[in-house]
Amino acid sequence: DADVTQTPRNRITKTGKRIMLECSQTKGHDRMYWYRQDPGLGLRLIYYSFDVKDINKGEISDGYSVSRQAQAKFSLSLESAIPNQTALYFCATSGVPGEQFFGPGTRLTVL
Amino acid sequence: SQKIEQNSEALNIQEGKTATLTCNYTNYSPAYLQWYRQDPGRGPVFLLLIRENEKEKRKERLKVTFDTTLKQSLFHITASQPADSATYLCALGRSGGYNKLIFGAGTRLAVHP
Repeated sequence: DADVTQTPRNRITKTGKRIMLECSQTKGHDRMYWYRQDPGLGLRLIYYSFDVKDINKGEISDGYSVSRQAQAKFSLSLESAIPNQTALYFCATSGVPGEQFFGPGTRLTVL
Repeated sequence: SQKIEQNSEALNIQEGKTATLTCNYTNYSPAYLQWYRQDPGRGPVFLLLIRENEKEKRKERLKVTFDTTLKQSLFHITASQPADSATYLCALGRSGGYNKLIFGAGTRLAVHP
């Protein structure tokens, strides 16, 4: 089984809808991250968390919120989706400072 | 503001040759630099980490150099194979507990038989 899983893998929704993307990990890592990837812009950090009591805004947090339900689960919500939130979303985890382990991604399309 | 630049144009090389990818950065003092590989529709996969006090790191056919004076890293794949075709991302990080990274946009490598 994959160490970092994301659901759903693909989602098409309409402007104004609330969307939740979920991430689970079995690596036992404390640090978890949400990124979005757009063509030509690379990965940009949305939110990150050190543990269940620690949530931090990243570079582009406006329009997003997160919940760290447990050490292994980190969810990203779009309260009212808009078309420019169409992107590929990745969850990642990290143990001691060093490499990050990425999930397979969620392709989100907002019409 | 901090900026990471990777060649946006695809790099096309012949199988067996050495591929060299460049990562330049400005307005940032990283404690370490990482390289990731990303295949279409998949998440990035970690390849190598090099720290600010290291000049060079090797792993099998991969070699990374890190010049903090030039603010540049070079990523080499020797004896390249078509299976090495992918997008390669560089990422910078600072010391500290969060292990936050900032990523470049990546360079696509195509290795032709």
